[in-house]
Amino acid sequence: GAVVSQHPSRVICKSGTSVKIECRSLDFQATTMFWYRQFPKQSLMLMATSNEGSKATYEQGVEKDKFLINHASLTLSTLTVTSAHPEDSSFYICSATGLAYNEQFFGPGTRLTVL
Amino acid sequence: AQTVTQSQPEMSVQEAETVTLSCTYDTSESDYYLFWYKQPPSRQMILVIRQEAYKQQNATENRFSVNFQKAAKSFSLKISDSQLGDAAMYFCAYHTGTASKLTFGTGTRLQVTL
Repeated sequence: GAVVSQHPSRVICKSGTSVKIECRSLDFQATTMFWYRQFPKQSLMLMATSNEGSKATYEQGVEKDKFLINHASLTLSTLTVTSAHPEDSSFYICSATGLAYNEQFFGPGTRLTVL
Repeated sequence: AQTVTQSQPEMSVQEAETVTLSCTYDTSESDYYLFWYKQPPSRQMILVIRQEAYKQQNATENRFSVNFQKAAKSFSLKISDSQLGDAAMYFCAYHTGTASKLTFGTGTRLQVTL
């Protein structure tokens, strides 16, 4: 099956610093990747959609300058949380899909804690 | 707006019994895909079952089956012979095609008791 990895699984950082989260498709070409945010006991909230080689499309209300998304290759997308603040603490999940698929494959998620 | 509604925030079922989780959705599209995802405490999203809207036959995957009512825009999940490992959050979701974003419901927390 299609496998998606995320790194790191957990990260703790100080307020004001930037944090980068990687999402990799291990055994398929991910033409489209998605980034979600999930608060405790809530559903997944889509933050942005990225297509390989193109600028990401952000959902309404998501700050583009705070959540920088790069999808430079068919196997890697990164989410950088810039100048992180405690309110950015959350669980971030990526998913990926390719031309041969009608479903998204999810990474294991990254728990971000901003002190 | 495209929405997915899960009206049961929590459900409980005894081991070996059957439980049905409900889901309704609203879309103006005629072609779309429906999914049930399981999210255990590890928080890894696991695909349980999928249904293509153009298929009339309800999807089944071992102990999991769906009741897909296209006209009513209903997509319920039936879990038979429930097991302790089935305890998790279950999310209903759909999208309208490859590279389209998933729209999720609010989730149903399933508890399995002895």
